[in-house]
Amino acid sequence: DAKTTQPPSMDCAEGRAANLPCNHSTISGNEYVYWYRQIHSQGPQYIIHGLKNNETNEMASLIITEDRKSSTLILPHATLRDTAVYYCIVFRHLPNNAGNMLTFGGGTRLMVKP
Amino acid sequence: ETGVTQSPTHLIKTRGQQVTLRCSSQSGHNTVSWYQQALGQGPQFIFQYYREEENGRGNFPPRFSGLQFPNYSSELNVNALELDDSALYLCASSFSWTGVNYGYTFGSGTRLTVV
Repeated sequence: DAKTTQPPSMDCAEGRAANLPCNHSTISGNEYVYWYRQIHSQGPQYIIHGLKNNETNEMASLIITEDRKSSTLILPHATLRDTAVYYCIVFRHLPNNAGNMLTFGGGTRLMVKP
Repeated sequence: ETGVTQSPTHLIKTRGQQVTLRCSSQSGHNTVSWYQQALGQGPQFIFQYYREEENGRGNFPPRFSGLQFPNYSSELNVNALELDDSALYLCASSFSWTGVNYGYTFGSGTRLTVV
């Protein structure tokens, strides 16, 4: 799976939008972009994923560039509870899940401040 | 629907001992994966089970083994524990059908300390 590059840390003011970037310049055409987050002492939590088009759900929006070499996760109104490590992962769906695995990098530690 | 449940939540073992960690998959999920997360690092893939067989493995030695049961629950066994095995062990379940994976749900993990 393609490697991703994320800034190690970011700060965001409570109530403002948090924009978390991710570079995945070697992504291939059949690889999806997934975002997970991990709040201290908990397991990773799925946020959103996409292939080519921008996606939005109740948690966040995902903006993928046209060349698919980078993406941005947007938390529209960050709260203190959004403080976590955010992981950007590229992932290929394989038949019968064979050998599928999520390759976690270092992620971005987002600190939401009052 | 219930999420992924792991037991125990915390465990202390002595170097050289064996340990078994347990995971109950989310209802409707047929695939289970295990990850090791050392302090301050991202989770690392250990292996995955689908239809009760291992169908993917990361860079972990054979003393890390697992089982998946007909009800899709799973065990992770680690023999001859080493100090470096101290970590948070995460179980993740998912549903897979004809190549489409509908995302992984993680448990809260088991914190293993080897002394």
